[in-house]
Amino acid sequence: AQSVTQLDSHVSVSEGTPVLLRCNYSSSYSPSLFWYVQHPNKGLQLLLKYTSAATLVKGINGFEAEFKKSETSFHLTKPSAHMSDAAEYFCVVSDRDSGSARQLTFGSGTQLTVLP
Amino acid sequence: DAGVIQSPRHEVTEMGQEVTLRCKPISGHDYLFWYRQTMMRGLELLIYFNNNVPIDDSGMPEDRFSAKMPNASFSTLKIQPSEPRDSAVYFCASSLGAADTQYFGPGTRLTVL
Repeated sequence: AQSVTQLDSHVSVSEGTPVLLRCNYSSSYSPSLFWYVQHPNKGLQLLLKYTSAATLVKGINGFEAEFKKSETSFHLTKPSAHMSDAAEYFCVVSDRDSGSARQLTFGSGTQLTVLP
Repeated sequence: DAGVIQSPRHEVTEMGQEVTLRCKPISGHDYLFWYRQTMMRGLELLIYFNNNVPIDDSGMPEDRFSAKMPNASFSTLKIQPSEPRDSAVYFCASSLGAADTQYFGPGTRLTVL
């Protein structure tokens, strides 16, 4: 069984300050982990993914995430927030060895607000 | 590539009517997934196909929902009859292989009055 917990439902930062969106997971197998972003009235866009290569994963738009097995965490960070980063962010876990198609389990989402 | 294409983008219908949502996956992708997003339940997998064959439909809420994939480039999700509680955003996603990243379409926002 797999699950994912996004620790904050809302995060508010000022433009130009760092962003931290927290995610913890549980998985029976070797997990793959993803962050997706959803802008208002838009579909989900893949930001980055971890699939057992380097533990520090770089994604699009300056975002990165670090896989920490000991802490079962996959937090998303960005050094400097931009107004266009305001959106909802989803942490997603998948069991890669479950023998079936990648069954994604989505977190409940974190709404990021960027203040001018 | 145009990405995953869904139509319509918005659908408003009355309770009891039939609703058909459409999806065109990315060319060459052999897995197709249908998801539903609501405020109460978040994102849920409804059903997925491999090479046009339904593999797991355990997420389909009830018999009013049905999905088909007549060929590799087209899938439909049908609700008959529709109910107000079916109001949600329905996403289609596709991937190349079982373990690959899923790419999502823009979604169809369904409102059932």
